[in-house]
Amino acid sequence: DQQVKQNSPSLSVQEGRISILNCDYTNSMFDYFLWYKKYPAEGPTFLISISSIKDKNEDGRFTVFLNKSAKHLSLHIVPSQPGDSAVYFCAAMGSGGGADGLTFGKGTHLIIQP
Amino acid sequence: DAGITQSPRHKVTETGTPVTLRCHQTENHRYMYWYRQDPGHGLRLIHYSYGVKDTDKGEVSDGYSVSRSKTEDFLLTLESATSSQTSVYFCATCPGPGNSPLHFGNGTRLTVT
Repeated sequence: DQQVKQNSPSLSVQEGRISILNCDYTNSMFDYFLWYKKYPAEGPTFLISISSIKDKNEDGRFTVFLNKSAKHLSLHIVPSQPGDSAVYFCAAMGSGGGADGLTFGKGTHLIIQP
Repeated sequence: DAGITQSPRHKVTETGTPVTLRCHQTENHRYMYWYRQDPGHGLRLIHYSYGVKDTDKGEVSDGYSVSRSKTEDFLLTLESATSSQTSVYFCATCPGPGNSPLHFGNGTRLTVT
């Protein structure tokens, strides 16, 4: 049973516009959420995270929003740039603080159109 | 990234042969992980380690074993490779405990023919 869901396999956005990637989770024990970016033939790289005690975290062009009651988080990228074209994975960590790893969604392939 | 080296980067092997993948880190991180990435499945945890000689199973551990005899090395072994184990394997580390991101290596692409 999938505990972290990314329901959009792909998303196409025009350069300069906002990209919004969505993620839902089912396990209420998750208390730390992360977004990773992955280019082909490379490992995932950490992008931004949010603790369950917050509802927003911002880092430059990237903002993550968390709605605990809806068990939903989203990643906003504004403005979108060609280098943002990649696969984005949503991930969640339990109260063990990462001792038993992260649970990942299936990923969303973001394509930035010129 | 974060001083993680995976070897080999690519491997082709035949069904039934044993295969060992190596992960080496220079960050002295306590926790290490093996994930596999497959189309339509994202990244799934195979095994993890929370210290030297301390390991545990992840979501998809059947057919795999691991060993960690030194802090810096985490080995993943496929005792008898099957075609279903054709995948890209990623090693990750985390300083732990606490809410810290995992850092990933660049992966090993394994093809079992």
